Amino acid sequence: AQSVTQPDIHITVSEGASLELRCNYSYGATPYLFWYVQSPGQGLQLLLKYFSGDTLVQGIKGFEAEFKRSQSSFNLRKPSVHWSDAAEYFCASNTGGFKTIFGAGTRLFVKA
Amino acid sequence: DAGVIQSPRHEVTEMGQEVTLRCKPISGHDYLFWYRQTMMRGLELLIYFNNNVPIDDSGMPEDRFSAKMPNASFSTLKIQPSEPRDSAVYFCASSFTSYEQYFGPGTRLTVT
Repeated sequence: AQSVTQPDIHITVSEGASLELRCNYSYGATPYLFWYVQSPGQGLQLLLKYFSGDTLVQGIKGFEAEFKRSQSSFNLRKPSVHWSDAAEYFCASNTGGFKTIFGAGTRLFVKA
Repeated sequence: DAGVIQSPRHEVTEMGQEVTLRCKPISGHDYLFWYRQTMMRGLELLIYFNNNVPIDDSGMPEDRFSAKMPNASFSTLKIQPSEPRDSAVYFCASSFTSYEQYFGPGTRLTVT
């Protein structure tokens, strides 16, 4: 069965430091992969997506993610975190059907 | 585009009362999803529609929950009767392809 795992429930980084949020998927073939961000009191906003092709994808707000088939991973990165990036981040996958599976989320805290 | 619109943003009701949540998807999107988010269970897909037709309602927790989509620009999620354990944030999302989903701001439901 399709599943998405985000191993880190929460992460704290200093403002200006780099960020990497981990995501692993479980599926026989390569699914479509997504990262969403949820700010407090808001809905989820799509940051970036991977369907095929270049394994490094760029998203909004300076985020990027790299698909690694050998590791079944789709980690989210940002070179320099801003205080406004504090939010919850969800990795998600879709195997080409109608149901998107979301991970449990990683809450990012940014310290000054 | 105004994005996905949900109303009300907050709802407080007493146990046993009927609750109706409303959603207006993005114009041109042919998929509509209802999710529930809680701390304990994260983001759960309740039901989704394609071209106004319910496709998968396996996530609807009980018969107390029902959803309709009478036309392409409007959907409702109804809980009757409501119970305290229904307290959660309910999100509506719409999509053109069923892969990239655009979320509304959510309705925070509190049942006392």
